[in-house]
Amino acid sequence: AQTVTQSQPEMSVQEAETVTLSCTYDTSESDYYLFWYKQPPSRQMILVIRQEAYKQQNATENRFSVNFQKAAKSFSLKISDSQLGDAAMYFCAYRSAVGFGGSQGNLIFGKGTKLSVKP
Amino acid sequence: ETGVTQSPTHLIKTRGQQVTLRCSSQSGHNTVSWYQQALGQGPQFIFQYYREEENGRGNFPPRFSGLQFPNYSSELNVNALELDDSALYLCASSFSGHGYEKLFFGSGTQLSVL
Repeated sequence: AQTVTQSQPEMSVQEAETVTLSCTYDTSESDYYLFWYKQPPSRQMILVIRQEAYKQQNATENRFSVNFQKAAKSFSLKISDSQLGDAAMYFCAYRSAVGFGGSQGNLIFGKGTKLSVKP
Repeated sequence: ETGVTQSPTHLIKTRGQQVTLRCSSQSGHNTVSWYQQALGQGPQFIFQYYREEENGRGNFPPRFSGLQFPNYSSELNVNALELDDSALYLCASSFSGHGYEKLFFGSGTQLSVL
């Protein structure tokens, strides 16, 4: 079974600085997706960034980028120029590309990292 | 705004009771999945419905059941509520077809079991 581990329960960053959130995962599959989701106090899961396992190039979305190390099964999120609005819970998640009856698999989440941004 | 709405937003029930949570998916989405998020944890997969049939299930007992309707709405039913069922319940809808299937999450229903 696949697992996702986030070893940092809490992180703090100064506004405008850079922070990196860590995630490791375990799988025997070759075709999968990795995600970082943000969950603010509103509780809605917001997709931050997605990485396809077959792509060697690291995904980037504006101030957010990942460091995907497939062999090491590591998937960290870097937030540059941190803003107060970045404060939230961040979840790393895994999803098999082949899941149920033609659909893709369910999301498997880590326990999350609470990010605080200091003004 | 994801176009996925859940109701109610908050709910208080007593142990042993039954509860129904509702989700309205985006128009055209043929797949809906439900997740349970206990306090301080990441969401855990309950089950998934594709074209009104359950086609995937996580490690949850049969007292957790669901329905998906042709009008893009769905339900999560929990019988014989237990204290540990207190959690945030999230639904997510998507279109299962070819290529990457983006999930759209609702804001959840916070269930408290007393």
